[in-house]
Amino acid sequence: DVQLLESGGGLVQPGGSLRLSCAASGFTFTNFAMSWLRQAPGRGLEWVSAIINSGGNTYYADSVKGRFTVSRDNSRNTLYLQMNRLRAEDTAIYYCAKEVFGAFSWGQGTLVTVSS
Amino acid sequence: DIQMTQSPSSLSASVGDRVTITCRASQTISRYLNWYQQKPGKAPKLLISEASSLESGVPSRFSGSGSGTDFTLTISSLQPEDFATYYCQQSYSSSRWTFGPGTKVDIK
Repeated sequence: DVQLLESGGGLVQPGGSLRLSCAASGFTFTNFAMSWLRQAPGRGLEWVSAIINSGGNTYYADSVKGRFTVSRDNSRNTLYLQMNRLRAEDTAIYYCAKEVFGAFSWGQGTLVTVSS
Repeated sequence: DIQMTQSPSSLSASVGDRVTITCRASQTISRYLNWYQQKPGKAPKLLISEASSLESGVPSRFSGSGSGTDFTLTISSLQPEDFATYYCQQSYSSSRWTFGPGTKVDIK
C-alpha cells in the first residue's frame, strides 16, 4: 500500500520560511512523479507543485512560483517543499501525493499556519 | 487554467438513495477527469480516474461517466459511509491541474 507521511508543518510568521518533508513507502518512489497540494481551512483543493521522477523538471502554481521550491531525494524516498516568503493566504493543510497520469494518491497532510 | 464547476454544491440524501453529482469543465478535457471523496479531517481519496475507471477497492455502487466538458458521479445506493465531500479534478492540463469546488453530501 502507498504510504506518504508528511512532516514539518507548524506556525510561522508572515515572511518566514518552512520546509516540509514527505516520506514515501509501499511503492517504487523513483518511478513516479510527485506533487504537493494544499487545502485552506474550510476551502477546496489546490495543486501547488510537481516534480518528475528523476527530479529534473519541476512545476509550480502561479500562486507560489518564485517562493516555493520542490525537490526530492530518491536515495531516501523523500519529497520536500521549501516555502519562503510565506503569506497568510498560504495557511493550509499541505498534502504530498503520488501522481499517475494526473490522478493523485494522498498522504495525511501537515498543517501550515502563517500568522503573526 | 481550466475552470471546474460542480453542482449541486451540497445535497441532503437518505441511505439507499441514488445520488448524482455533476462536474463541468470550462473547455473540453476529453475523459481526463478524476473524482475524489473526502471525509472530515481526512485526506482526499481517489475513487474514479479517467472519467469512469473505478479504483481498486472502491465499491461498485460508485460510477462515473461523461466526456468533453460534462461529467457525472453516481452513487447507486447511498450508504452511511458515503456521507462526505466529493471533488472532481481535470488531468487534461498536465502540471496545471485544477479541482472543482466540491459537493457535500449529508444526511437528510
